[in-house]
Amino acid sequence: SQTIHQWPATLVQPVGSPLSLECTVEGTSNPNLYWYRQAAGRGLQLLFYSVGIGQISSEVPQNLSASRPQDRQFILSSKKLLLSDSGFYLCAWSVRGSDSPLHFGNGTRLTVT
Amino acid sequence: KQEVTQIPAALSVPEGENLVLNCSFTDSAIYNLQWFRQDPGKGLTSLLLIQSSQREQTSGRLNASLDKSSGRSTLYIAASQPGDSATYLCAVQRAGSEKLVFGKGTKLTVNP
Repeated sequence: SQTIHQWPATLVQPVGSPLSLECTVEGTSNPNLYWYRQAAGRGLQLLFYSVGIGQISSEVPQNLSASRPQDRQFILSSKKLLLSDSGFYLCAWSVRGSDSPLHFGNGTRLTVT
Repeated sequence: KQEVTQIPAALSVPEGENLVLNCSFTDSAIYNLQWFRQDPGKGLTSLLLIQSSQREQTSGRLNASLDKSSGRSTLYIAASQPGDSATYLCAVQRAGSEKLVFGKGTKLTVNP
């Protein structure tokens, strides 16, 4: 069966520090991969998605970047965090090119202080 | 631009009641519509996926319907239980796109 791992679960970082959140998927190949951010009162915002290694689509201009160095690994990064980067970050995957549901990780609660 | 709206934002019901959650979307050119459940501080769990050619899907006490022409979907929960308390989100996938657009969710509380 397929599983998705996302870590860390919680993170407190000072303004200006770097960020690296990692997500890996097991039990499937060639998945679509997604990073979402959930902020209070704003719903789920798609940040990045990827349909293959090295292929990244950015949805929102921001202080963040994403990379997909391996088929089942998706990394969210920042060189210098802002207060506005605080939020709940969710990684997700789906089967590429099919009518399949989106599967989410357990999320990372990021607080920038 | 696709917009997804969920009304009400919050709902409180007594245990055992049947209830309906609503979702509307502005662009009917969708590939599918999905319903999710989110418990506090957790990720989303997929509940039901309705393909654009389908009218409804059922899983246990849950039934989701889709009326693409009117841009509406409903999630029906039968015989609600306190364990059903969570935030329910709907999302639509636009035809030809790999992306889902989410509503802000309905927070459901089922009181014992």
